[in-house]
Amino acid sequence: DSGVTQTPKHLITATGQRVTLRCSPRSGDLSVYWYQQSLDQGLQFLIQYYNGEERAKGNILERFSAQQFPDLHSELNLSSLELGDSALYFCASSVTWQSETQYFGPGTRLLVL
Amino acid sequence: QQQVKQSPQSLIVQKGGISIINCAYENTAFDYFPWYQQFPGKGPALLIAIRPDVSEKKEGRFTISFNKSAKQFSLHIMDSQPGDSATYFCAARSSGGSNYKLTFGKGTLLTVNP
Repeated sequence: DSGVTQTPKHLITATGQRVTLRCSPRSGDLSVYWYQQSLDQGLQFLIQYYNGEERAKGNILERFSAQQFPDLHSELNLSSLELGDSALYFCASSVTWQSETQYFGPGTRLLVL
Repeated sequence: QQQVKQSPQSLIVQKGGISIINCAYENTAFDYFPWYQQFPGKGPALLIAIRPDVSEKKEGRFTISFNKSAKQFSLHIMDSQPGDSATYFCAARSSGGSNYKLTFGKGTLLTVNP
């Protein structure tokens, strides 16, 4: 168990809908990362937050947004969902924004029908 | 543009054999190379990592070999066990600028037969 928690574990929704994925980092970790894992693209970095501020952006679509709250938990919002958004979404955390080791949560499996 | 290329996509090894997974990178600014192990239904977990100032790092049955001039690195699993069956991802990261993100290879599904 990495200490990173993600909810929900599974999510089934319809195209056009909006969902929110939640992540709680390990105790003491200030940085949170979001990744999307699909069969064809592998693990793709979406976005990183550090102590409430956006730190780095990757291949995140404009329909997706995220934030990190004062208690350091983070939420990833996915809107106008398309079939192709079906994937595993992982959250990871690290002590600082420069830390080498990232600890991954168990993921949220999103299925868009 | 895929910055970290991983091969093979899948690998079947007999118990006790050696598993070898290879990765190649393009960005010479990368200076940290971790390997992650992922079991079904779980998130990736850091297995072992190396920096380019050393050519090899060993932790138990797991060894990373690093060839800076060829921009390649590989994971060797000695005496492979059925419990090692998982997906393995190589990754790379640069420590310059403001972006410390990990770039992952596409993964190798390792099956170790008993």
